[in-house]
Amino acid sequence: DGGITQSPKYLFRKEGQNVTLSCEQNLNHDAMYWYRQDPGQGLRLIYYSQIVNDFQKGDIAEGYSVSREKKESFPLTVTSAQKNPTAFYLCASSTLAGGKGEQFFGPGTRLTVL
Amino acid sequence: DAKTTQPTSMDCAEGRAANLPCNHSTISGNEYVYWYRQIHSQGPQYIIHGLKNNETNEMASLIITEDRKSSTLILPHATLRDTAVYYCIVSARNAGNMLTFGGGTRLMVKP
Repeated sequence: DGGITQSPKYLFRKEGQNVTLSCEQNLNHDAMYWYRQDPGQGLRLIYYSQIVNDFQKGDIAEGYSVSREKKESFPLTVTSAQKNPTAFYLCASSTLAGGKGEQFFGPGTRLTVL
Repeated sequence: DAKTTQPTSMDCAEGRAANLPCNHSTISGNEYVYWYRQIHSQGPQYIIHGLKNNETNEMASLIITEDRKSSTLILPHATLRDTAVYYCIVSARNAGNMLTFGGGTRLMVKP
């Protein structure tokens, strides 16, 4: 099945620890995105990448880092510098050539920092 | 900041049409109107998009006013499974397919 996967679904970490969230897609999409969602709020863009080995900061990049070494993978690291990391994290991908211009979303990872 | 304005919440009776409005008075000529929905604790799902003509697919219809300053998403026969947050987003397709999410409309379909 083609799609975008995120793991794990739930993640617990102690304060001060870095944690890496996984995002993989087998849709051959060029672009990938990371969003954060807080309760009752819309999604906010953290980072995005339109090509391998290149990525750009979104609206709330502070305290986060990413890499794009392979087209199908875009992991997000939540560092100890992120002041309030507990949130729902969503990864998405999109083709930049043709298509409808829509983003396809993964199921999300709910991170709780204790 | 999001470029769209939507009501915070709406109710709809099961089996009736759900009409979700969206204002986007500052939309640019190259920007499309996209609609996504997010069922609780899941990732958002693309529904439909349009530039200036009305559009219909298997999920919904999109009506865009002639001046493009507002639009309406129509779910013709709402079911309980359509209960979700619906996001109206304007986006230029040649800009990396970027999306800016607002608060959306929380649609509650009631039996």
